[in-house]
Amino acid sequence: DTGVSQNPRHKITKRGQNVTFRCDPISEHNRLYWYRQTLGQGPEFLTYFQNEAQLEKSRLLSDRFSAERPKGSFSTLEIQRTEQGDSAMYLCASTPYTGELFFGEGSRLTVL
Amino acid sequence: DQQVKQNSPSLSVQEGRISILNCDYTNSMFDYFLWYKKYPAEGPTFLISISSIKDKNEDGRFTVFLNKSAKHLSLHIVPSQPGDSAVYFCAASADSSASKIIFGSGTRLSIRP
Repeated sequence: DTGVSQNPRHKITKRGQNVTFRCDPISEHNRLYWYRQTLGQGPEFLTYFQNEAQLEKSRLLSDRFSAERPKGSFSTLEIQRTEQGDSAMYLCASTPYTGELFFGEGSRLTVL
Repeated sequence: DQQVKQNSPSLSVQEGRISILNCDYTNSMFDYFLWYKKYPAEGPTFLISISSIKDKNEDGRFTVFLNKSAKHLSLHIVPSQPGDSAVYFCAASADSSASKIIFGSGTRLSIRP
């Protein structure tokens, strides 16, 4: 399968713990995006990378959130000191500049 | 501040009839618009897009219409089929290379037999 891959698919953690999600984009795609989706809402933009450069971050991305894309390949999204409000589906997508985003199946975070 | 709005959370249409999903936007810098479809437990999948230089784009049963003066776009599905039952997201970007795509809250479409 050569689609966008996200791991883990589901993470349950206690408040205050750190979590990390990984995204492997489609190999020839230069741009990689992170979105967050809560129930009944559309995906909210968090950040995006062009190759290894992080070009934009949403104000939604507090200091507890950090994303990296070393070597312009896979990306990680880390959330430190998780809060219950962080519970959401974290979606990764990639694109080869066409505007058509290819999404992964998402990583669901539940903070207890 | 919601820049892309889908005011109908749900829509029910009889199989074979036309489904019309609506979307409004507030940011006049948006010039590229997309529709995505999402099934449960899956990520959204791209359906169709339109650039602001056009007012209509067609792909099979799907047509997107753009009214720039009204800052409104719509997705028409005809004829509607059971497999079209899903959540549909309208999205917009300030450029066609997708530097940042903003999504609406979605409309759940149900196709009834």
